[in-house]
Amino acid sequence: ETGVTQSPTHLIKTRGQQVTLRCSSQSGHNTVSWYQQALGQGPQFIFQYYREEENGRGNFPPRFSGLQFPNYSSELNVNALELDDSALYLCASSFSLSDYYGYTFGSGTRLTVV
Amino acid sequence: GQQVMQIPQYQHVQEGEDFTTYCNSSTTLSNIQWYKQRPGGHPVFLIQLVKSGEVKKQKRLTFQFGEAKKNSSLHITATQTTDVGTYFCAGYSGTYKYIFGTGTRLKVLA
Repeated sequence: ETGVTQSPTHLIKTRGQQVTLRCSSQSGHNTVSWYQQALGQGPQFIFQYYREEENGRGNFPPRFSGLQFPNYSSELNVNALELDDSALYLCASSFSLSDYYGYTFGSGTRLTVV
Repeated sequence: GQQVMQIPQYQHVQEGEDFTTYCNSSTTLSNIQWYKQRPGGHPVFLIQLVKSGEVKKQKRLTFQFGEAKKNSSLHITATQTTDVGTYFCAGYSGTYKYIFGTGTRLKVLA
């Protein structure tokens, strides 16, 4: 059983650029959630995908968008990067919407915007 | 909007001492989950509580869900250096999925 894998591990971008982060969910999981974690803070919910459809969104602007593919992997896209977007981006997968066994998190992508 | 606060923000304990972190939500929660994040790591799921007043134990860890389903606690008995990390509660309100708390960072001094 493979866990959740995210790529890249680290990324440095310039303000105004666009970035795509990738996530492969754990085998058997069809729900993917994305979180933003600023240094010293708790993870903030961005959005969730279930069977390729967005299934809920947190308080993030439209320049944060995502996709889920038929194999349940997912992408997070951020346009017009701002300095405050610098954070650890975490992808978490779960078995369907029934999350009794909790979310399995990937190791994250550390994004630095300069 | 919904907020989930945790206290204390930081806790330093001597190895062998007990530790408790408290989680309080501004709204009633359907359920609550607890995660542990080691320094430089990612959150790892510990447990989920669903019922009002529920108590669950995992070895030295005891989790409680309040009667009103707006608060929860995690108690660690006889801490060990392996318990170091940040403990997050995450409450499910049904609208924005899981709202993570502010976290309690535990340091265990050997």
